[in-house]
Amino acid sequence: AQSVTQLDSQVPVFEEAPVELRCNYSSSVSVYLFWYVQYPNQGLQLLLKYLSGSTLVKSINGFEAEFNKSQTSFHLRKPSVHISDTAEYFCAVSTYGGATNKLIFGTGTLLAVQP
Amino acid sequence: DAGVTQSPTHLIKTRGQQVTLRCSPKSGHDTVSWYQQALGQGPQFIFQYYEEEERQRGNFPDRFSGHQFPNYSSELNVNALLLGDSALYLCASSLSLAGGNYNEQFFGPGTRLTVL
Repeated sequence: AQSVTQLDSQVPVFEEAPVELRCNYSSSVSVYLFWYVQYPNQGLQLLLKYLSGSTLVKSINGFEAEFNKSQTSFHLRKPSVHISDTAEYFCAVSTYGGATNKLIFGTGTLLAVQP
Repeated sequence: DAGVTQSPTHLIKTRGQQVTLRCSPKSGHDTVSWYQQALGQGPQFIFQYYEEEERQRGNFPDRFSGHQFPNYSSELNVNALLLGDSALYLCASSLSLAGGNYNEQFFGPGTRLTVL
């Protein structure tokens, strides 16, 4: 079975400061890794994904995440955050070659950007 | 191109009642998954439908059932509602797995169910 741990339930940060949201996963098989963002009263939007290849993946709005197989981590980083980045961020995994593409999510991290 | 749509947006029911939630997948998608997101939690996989059959099921009781129609739209039914069923119910659509490649899931805005 797979599991995802997001140790930080809330991360307060000032605008233009760097931020890191931590994600660790557990799995006995290879997985795909994802970060989703959820703005208030909205559904989930895919922020970025690691399927294969380069372990560093980037989004169009400045976020990046690095897959570290030895540490089973997929931390999300941004060098300078904006007020508009305030949202709930979910890390998720899906089993490579599984019967379905179901996602297993962590409990989420609320990124609260303050002016 | 319309994305994933869900109806209704909000719903209030009382304990013991039954509820039906609806989902229309993104154009061209044939697979629908349902997730339950309780307050302050991450989404939990309920089940997935493909070719009108339940392909996989998460750890949810039989009170949760679903259906997929020939046009790929789907319904989630919950019987004998409990207070603990209060949550945001998310629908996600994707293409069926092909060639071992991962097919991204696209999420709808969700239906907020409140059980009193």
